Amino acid sequence: GQNIDQPTEMTATEGAIVQINCTYQTSGFNGLFWYQQHAGEAPTFLSYNVLDGLEEKGRFSSFLSRSKGYSYLLLKELQMKDSASYLCAVRGYGQNFVFGPGTRLSVLP
Amino acid sequence: DAGVIQSPRHEVTEMGQEVTLRCKPISGHNSLFWYRQTMMRGLELLIYFNNNVPIDDSGMPEDRFSAKMPNASFSTLKIQPSEPRDSAVYFCASSSQGQASGYTFGSGTRLTVV
Repeated sequence: GQNIDQPTEMTATEGAIVQINCTYQTSGFNGLFWYQQHAGEAPTFLSYNVLDGLEEKGRFSSFLSRSKGYSYLLLKELQMKDSASYLCAVRGYGQNFVFGPGTRLSVLP
Repeated sequence: DAGVIQSPRHEVTEMGQEVTLRCKPISGHNSLFWYRQTMMRGLELLIYFNNNVPIDDSGMPEDRFSAKMPNASFSTLKIQPSEPRDSAVYFCASSSQGQASGYTFGSGTRLTVV
């Protein structure tokens, strides 16, 4: 079976750092992806991890531990425009992804 | 690159009517996916194609739903007859084999069945 868990909602202050966690149990693993989705828009790709460790891309970083079935997305120097839903997704051995329920992040001034 | 193009952007229809959603993937992408998103169930995979061939349609809710990909540049998702519980945002996405950037999503079709 496939199961991906994320917190439903998080709130943080502009300029702060926030960490969004994702745990997964899937029958196959070929990469973990994070997507950002603003209200009323399509998801857009943020990051990709296939090996354990930290991947950094500007203000965003993503970490993966395959043995623990765990990932997190770290957002630094939060801006108001970072208010969005953040979706964790696992790619199995095929091309299809299983998406988590998403974490709605609100950035307050 | 125009991205993944979906039409229509919005569709309002009466229960029992046929609905056809359309998608044009990114040129050169060989995989195409149809997803449905609702508040209750999040993003759910309905069906995906590799090289125009349906690979996994286990997510298609029932026989009222059907999808086709007659060529590499066009796909349709049809609902007949439509029901109010089909109201959702339907996303099409495409990717190339092993692409590290994952999917590219279209803008979605917001379907409302009244």
